[in-house]
Amino acid sequence: DAGITQSPRYKITETGRQVTLMCHQTWSHSYMFWYRQDLGHGLRLIYYSAAADITDKGEVPDGYVVSRSKTENFPLTLESATRSQTSVYFCASSGTSAPQETQYFGPGTRLLVL
Amino acid sequence: GENVEQHPSTLSVQEGDSAVIKCTYSDSASNYFPWYKQELGKRPQLIIDIRSNVGEKKDQRIAVTLNKTAKHFSLHITETQPEDSAVYFCAALNYGGSQGNLIFGKGTKLSVKP
Repeated sequence: DAGITQSPRYKITETGRQVTLMCHQTWSHSYMFWYRQDLGHGLRLIYYSAAADITDKGEVPDGYVVSRSKTENFPLTLESATRSQTSVYFCASSGTSAPQETQYFGPGTRLLVL
Repeated sequence: GENVEQHPSTLSVQEGDSAVIKCTYSDSASNYFPWYKQELGKRPQLIIDIRSNVGEKKDQRIAVTLNKTAKHFSLHITETQPEDSAVYFCAALNYGGSQGNLIFGKGTKLSVKP
């Protein structure tokens, strides 16, 4: 589990500000994912990436931007934060084959948008 | 797209009793069904998974069963212990184009009373 980290762990921001959440993994996993977790909704996929420079939308992509210039990093940017984006954000990664491999989650980032 | 329904949303059992959590999925093409456990304030972690070519899988006190015809799968925990208290998420792998991603249920909060 120590192989996937997220920063910051806690963030408070204001409506309209840009925020970037970082995710870093040391396993050279091909697949990386961003989820948000909200009470009553479980885990919802925001974006995912199959490899460097390959990203695709998940269930709730609106208001978010991702990039993956390096295999080990997968930052998530909220271009103009809204209160509805207050949530716990989890990054995850999985092995070199298809997403059927186990997904390993990072420790999460708690984001509060005022 | 895939939809995963999970029941019950909360479950309380006495220590030593069994606990069963059920999930249904909508996409008959889904073929991978993991279960994640999330302790309070922690990240989700895989506890067991099953693929569509298998009807049942066991790992010590936990087991998962899959009924492809009915499109439902269940998590069974026997001889529950207080440390089993957590939120449990089921998921199904949904094939979208050349890639797939996990669709999670909304979670079941299991409380094991000593």
